[in-house]
Amino acid sequence: QVQLVQSGAEVKKPGASVRVSCKTSGYTFTDFYLHWVRQAPGQGLEWMGRINPNSGDTKYAQTFQGRVTMTSDTSISTAYMELSSLRHDDTAVYFCARERPPVATNSWGQGTLVTVSS
Amino acid sequence: DIQMTQSPSTLSASVGDRVNITCRASQSISKWLAWYQQKPGKAPKLLIYKASNLEIGVPSSFSGSGSGTEFTLTISSLQPGDFATYYCQHYNNYSPWTFGQGTRVEIK
Repeated sequence: QVQLVQSGAEVKKPGASVRVSCKTSGYTFTDFYLHWVRQAPGQGLEWMGRINPNSGDTKYAQTFQGRVTMTSDTSISTAYMELSSLRHDDTAVYFCARERPPVATNSWGQGTLVTVSS
Repeated sequence: DIQMTQSPSTLSASVGDRVNITCRASQSISKWLAWYQQKPGKAPKLLIYKASNLEIGVPSSFSGSGSGTEFTLTISSLQPGDFATYYCQHYNNYSPWTFGQGTRVEIK
């Protein structure tokens, strides 16, 4: 079955960068886009962007342009999301999710808590 | 970007109640709308895609309707496991995806 397993929790200082990984299994990695969504404590869901693992093509939400980089390693079926210049309000749970057209995203990782604290 | 507005923000209901949650888009999105359920500490779970299609394994008590700019998620008879937060999401290949702000369904 389709599985998305994310890396563990991170604690970072303001100004640092964080990279979260999303290891996939149970399907052909290059056949489906992967999206990243975050959720600040007690807040709603925020779409960050997506990557086409086959081509490396990315599309980012305007809010994160210039600070986020999404990449993938097809040899290990893993996607990455790197967020730079971290601020306190980047503290959130970050999710990866697989898109299956026309269904939107129906397979999600378990989430990775990133805490930004001085 | 397309803005999605949900109402109400919070809804108090009892087991067995019929519940409606509304989602409005700032411009027409045809039927490119999904609904998710999220419980505390868990990832969102897809319920409905393309406005009215039930995801595999989701109870038939959930249904979706609408097109263009106005959409509704209906739970025909609220069950104990349905108390959660619900999000609508606009999705397509041509514009950034966006979520509504969420509707919390709580026990009355």
